[in-house]
Amino acid sequence: AQSVTQLGSHVSVSEGALVLLRCNYSSSVPPYLFWYVQYPNQGLQLLLKYTTGATLVKGINGFEAEFKKSETSFHLTKPSAHMSDAAEYFCAVSESGNNRLAFGKGNQVVVIP
Amino acid sequence: GAGVSQSPSNKVTEKGKDVELRCDPISGHTALYWYRQRLGQGLEFLIYFQGNSAPDKSGLPSDRFSAERTGESVSTLTIQRTQQEDSAVYLCASSPAGTGVYEQYFGPGTRLTVT
Repeated sequence: AQSVTQLGSHVSVSEGALVLLRCNYSSSVPPYLFWYVQYPNQGLQLLLKYTTGATLVKGINGFEAEFKKSETSFHLTKPSAHMSDAAEYFCAVSESGNNRLAFGKGNQVVVIP
Repeated sequence: GAGVSQSPSNKVTEKGKDVELRCDPISGHTALYWYRQRLGQGLEFLIYFQGNSAPDKSGLPSDRFSAERTGESVSTLTIQRTQQEDSAVYLCASSPAGTGVYEQYFGPGTRLTVT
């Protein structure tokens, strides 16, 4: 069964600094990988996803993530944090032929002015 | 177009009571999922419906939990004899089909508090 590890429940980043959220997964077959964001009092929204093809994936709001099979990782980055990036971020994995998503515990991002 | 909607948005109930949570998926989406998000935890899969196939109930935590879906429309999650550990946000999601490659579109959730 697939699983996801996100370390550091709370992440503080200065406005304008690099945002880096780490995600490692385990999967017995090639995975599909997702990052979702949950803004305060809103539902989950897809940031980006990797299914096949190019391993560097670009998403909304300037975020991108790179699938590294050898490291079983799918870390999320954004070069310059904005105040509006304050939210909770979840990494998720699903396997081909398996319909459920397995989520990490999430990272609560706080942006410091 | 309209997204996934859920009702009620908040529900407070006494321990031992039954509750029903409703999900209206995006029109045309054949797959529907229920997840639970407990405080400080990630989302926990509960149940999955795909068209007229038998649902995948493997994530339901106990026999107090059940869910139904009418065709490819509304779904209801029922929790019987609620316990305090059932307090959580219950999220519904739908997708165009049931293969893992498709994005799941989430509703705003129902916050359930069991007192």
